[in-house]
Amino acid sequence: DGGITQSPKYLFRKEGQNVTLSCEQNLNHDAMYWYRQDPGQGLRLIYYSQIVNDFQKGDIAEGYSVSREKKESFPLTVTSAQKNPTAFYLCASSSGQVPYEQYFGPGTRLTVT
Amino acid sequence: DAKTTQPNSMESNEEEPVHLPCNHSTISGTDYIHWYRQLPSQGPEYVIHGLTSNVNNRMASLAIAEDRKSSTLILHRATLRDAAVYYCILRDRDDKIIFGKGTRLHILP
Repeated sequence: DGGITQSPKYLFRKEGQNVTLSCEQNLNHDAMYWYRQDPGQGLRLIYYSQIVNDFQKGDIAEGYSVSREKKESFPLTVTSAQKNPTAFYLCASSSGQVPYEQYFGPGTRLTVT
Repeated sequence: DAKTTQPNSMESNEEEPVHLPCNHSTISGTDYIHWYRQLPSQGPEYVIHGLTSNVNNRMASLAIAEDRKSSTLILHRATLRDAAVYYCILRDRDDKIIFGKGTRLHILP
């Protein structure tokens, strides 16, 4: 089955530690995205990548880093510089073709204490 | 991306049709209208999209106003599993997407 996988589903970390969230897709999509969602809020874009070895900052990139070394993978690192890292993190991909619909993974819920 | 306006929440009875409105008065000629929905603790899922004509698929129907400044997502027979947040979004290129707060749909048994 084609789709997007995110792991783990739940992640717990101590304050001051960096943590990397995994996102893999087997849809052969060019574009991939990372969003953050806080309780009762909409999604906010962290980073996106339209092609391998290239990525762009979204609206809330501070305290996060990404890489795109392979088409199918787009890991997100939440660094210790991110002041409020506890949130629900969603990865998505799209084909890059009209009408540009996005497909989402199941999400990773990160709790930092 | 052009902005959309949706009601914060709506309620409907089970097994009745639901009409979810979206206003997008600044839509451009190349904007596609997308709808996504997000079930609790899950990622959003694509529901339907349209450009100018009304559209139907197995999940829903999309009615687009003649001037394209508004659209309505129609769930023909709501079930409890349709309780979710529904997002209306405009897309004209494959880059950043802006999700508002959407409409939280409550289904009453």
